[in-house]
Parts: sequence; C-alpha cells; structure tokens
Amino acid sequence: NAGVTQTPKFQVLKTGQSMTLQCAQDMNHEYMSWYRQDPGMGLRLIHYSVGAGITDQGEVPNGYNVSRSTTEDFPLRLLSAAPSQTSVYFCASRRSPSGDYGYTFGSGTRLTVV
Amino acid sequence: AQKITQTQPGMFVQEKEAVTLDCTYDTSDPSYGLFWYKQPSSGEMIFLIYQGSYDQQNATEGRYSLNFQKARKSANLVISASQLGDSAMYFCAMREFGGGFKTIFGAGTRLFVKA
Repeated sequence: NAGVTQTPKFQVLKTGQSMTLQCAQDMNHEYMSWYRQDPGMGLRLIHYSVGAGITDQGEVPNGYNVSRSTTEDFPLRLLSAAPSQTSVYFCASRRSPSGDYGYTFGSGTRLTVV
Repeated sequence: AQKITQTQPGMFVQEKEAVTLDCTYDTSDPSYGLFWYKQPSSGEMIFLIYQGSYDQQNATEGRYSLNFQKARKSANLVISASQLGDSAMYFCAMREFGGGFKTIFGAGTRLFVKA
C-alpha cells in the first residue's frame, strides 16, 4: 500500500505562476484534506472533501482551488502564487468523515515562492 | 468556532520519565473528537491517539494516554517512560462532528528528550 502520495516533494515558483500539487490515495478513503504548515502556526486547513464531487473551504482557502473528480485524487491548485504561500503543504485522508479514524498524511510538498 | 490551544512551545524531559503535553479546546458542538499527532524531524505526521467526546474512559495506546477532562475542555497527552525517539513536535487536533467534520490543529509543542 502506497498510502497517500504527494508530488512534487519540492517546488520553487515565481510570483504569479500557477501550479497544481498532486495528492493520491489508494486506501479508498472518503475524506481528504489539504493543510499548510507554517512555523509557529501548526497546520491550517485549506480545503477538504467528504467524497468524490464534494469539496468545501477550510480556514485559509484564499488563493487555492480544489476538485475531487475521483475518490483517489484531490489536487490543490495555486492560482497565482504569492510569497505568502511559501509553506509546507500536506495532503491527508481518512476512511470516513466521522468515526475515530485519524488521518493518514502524505509526506508533504515544500513550496517556495520567490 | 473551533479552537485548539497548546501553550507550551517547548518541553524538556529526562529519558525514562513521564511527560504531559497540554491541550485545551473550545467548541460549541456536543459531539467531537480529539487527536494527537507526532511529527519527527523527518517531517512526516503520525497519528497517535483518539478520544471521543462521549467516551467515558481516557484513551490509551501503548505509552500514550490522553487525560480527558471534559468540563475543563482539556485533552492532555501523557507519554510514559520517555525515549529518545519521542523527541518531536506534537500536535493536538479536534474534529467537530457538525460542519463538515473539519479537523483543526493547535500550534504544536516541541518535546526534547534528554539522555
């Protein structure tokens, strides 16, 4: 089992560029989320999805888009990169929205916007 | 609104001793879950333990236990018999059962285990 796979692991963007962070899970998990981790701020929720075709905003959604066309994939799109989006991005999934299941996390994408 | 507070940016503990990492939370939802995650220096996030708001007993998983005090809205993590490999960042998190089952995280506590 691969678990949650995030690509790329590292990325440098110029201000104004767009890109997509990929996230795929092979555990048939219904629930998927994107977080960003910044020093001293823990993990902040960007967007989440309770199942294919359903997405919603988290705490810090501005500047990001998501879609969930399949159960497996949950890509995060940066529309026009800004230096404030320099961060480590984690994709996470769990079996269902409720229940006592913790997240399975991807290994993260370290993004630098210059 | 959901809120998680971890007031200890850093903690030191001697190897083989027990340590408590503090976590307080705020929610208006009567149904919620509390989680702890570990992030070693390698960067991955590891799920440690879960406590449901209606659970009568404190959760335990090996050397980890969750000291759940519902009236005080606290969910402290207790690590017994600390090991050098316990040195890491620890995050408390909460999931409300309403409003999309969102999970939010605290700022984290960095634990240093001394030999």
